[in-house]
Amino acid sequence: GAGVSQSPRYKVAKRGQDVALRCDPISGHVSLFWYQQALGQGPEFLTYFQNEAQLDKSGLPSDRFFAERPEGSVSTLKIQRTQQEDSAVYLCASSGRMYEQYFGPGTRLTVT
Amino acid sequence: GENVEQHPSTLSVQEGDSAVIKCTYSDSASNYFPWYKQELGKGPQLIIDIRSNVGEKKDQRIAVTLNKTAKHFSLHITETQPEDSAVYFCAASPSGYSTLTFGKGTMLLVSP
Repeated sequence: GAGVSQSPRYKVAKRGQDVALRCDPISGHVSLFWYQQALGQGPEFLTYFQNEAQLDKSGLPSDRFFAERPEGSVSTLKIQRTQQEDSAVYLCASSGRMYEQYFGPGTRLTVT
Repeated sequence: GENVEQHPSTLSVQEGDSAVIKCTYSDSASNYFPWYKQELGKGPQLIIDIRSNVGEKKDQRIAVTLNKTAKHFSLHITETQPEDSAVYFCAASPSGYSTLTFGKGTMLLVSP
């Protein structure tokens, strides 16, 4: 079946611009996670949804980062007034059970 | 919070040799330990996982062992092949909460 998809795969933004990254989870998966992966590092947790409820946003690095999942399926991660330190790969994962998480291919964001 | 240490950071082996990657974690409440394989330009792929009620799990050429007393778990790959070359990440998740904390990764290079 179809896995997790993310779009766009690559995004270049000028510093100060707003960006929106989309995640389509595996159909029927209740849980959805966003992670940020810096070059040469492991993924780091940003936020977690169960259906449409955002249960944990403790990993969001600043109030410029905002995530939503209004209908409990597709999710969008928005970054306002992008900064160079926001450059990273943004990964989305979904889970239909309590533990196993399946990742999408990621969106590589470059802020110039 | 949870802290996961992973060693080595790079590992070079000859085709057919075995490879072992080791991780330690800090939170005794963690009870789920997945391993992911990430190829260049792709998202992490779940390859094997283990839960705290099991000491060892095997799937063909890969196996994972867990020592809860020492807070230590390892990935073992036997009969390595060039297509095993990738970055491998270990992760840990606390009981009842499925956010993953990742190690920094191990770059495995299998030479023909």
